[in-house]
Amino acid sequence: QQQVKQSPQSLIVQKGGISIINCAYENTAFDYFPWYQQFPGKGPALLIAIRPDVSEKKEGRFTISFNKSAKQFSLHIMDSQPGDSATYFCAASKGYSSASKIIFGSGTRLSIRP
Amino acid sequence: DAGVIQSPRHEVTEMGQEVTLRCKPISGHNSLFWYRQTMMRGLELLIYFNNNVPIDDSGMPEDRFSAKMPNASFSTLKIQPSEPRDSAVYFCASKSGDTNYGYTFGSGTRLTVV
Repeated sequence: QQQVKQSPQSLIVQKGGISIINCAYENTAFDYFPWYQQFPGKGPALLIAIRPDVSEKKEGRFTISFNKSAKQFSLHIMDSQPGDSATYFCAASKGYSSASKIIFGSGTRLSIRP
Repeated sequence: DAGVIQSPRHEVTEMGQEVTLRCKPISGHNSLFWYRQTMMRGLELLIYFNNNVPIDDSGMPEDRFSAKMPNASFSTLKIQPSEPRDSAVYFCASKSGDTNYGYTFGSGTRLTVV
């Protein structure tokens, strides 16, 4: 059972463009939605996260948009740079404590063309 | 802080052999997670511990897999006997309930079973 569905599987964007990755979840009990960034040979690293009490969170060039009624959220990367080329995972969890487990989406391989 | 430390970084073994992967979480983190990453299945949660106690091992694929956390600074994931389909990158991650920063992942162990 895939609780967090992510699309697209891969994405190519020109330098300076906007990269958009979408995710949908099923479990309405999820209340924490992080995005992770993974470079080749490295483990995933937390990029940005949102709680469902807000519809948008922005950190630098990275923005999460959250639609609670549609059970969807997305990552927008503005002014995409070649250094943003990586695999991005959306995720969700119930609760915020150390005991909560995070369910990951299938990942999006993003390539930024110079 | 040295981050989450995993060893070995690479492991090549023959089918049927026992494999032990090791993880040292960040000091003070009280939850530890083992994930497996493959192209086909993405990031799969295998098992996680809270305060050294296994909380959820429903992701462990079969009895050939076992995990232990004898103390707060060390965990092992053992596969016995190993099979070619176990080939994957295995990640360990740790988390503290006192942080907003989600999981911290190690750099992973790339396991190849021939």
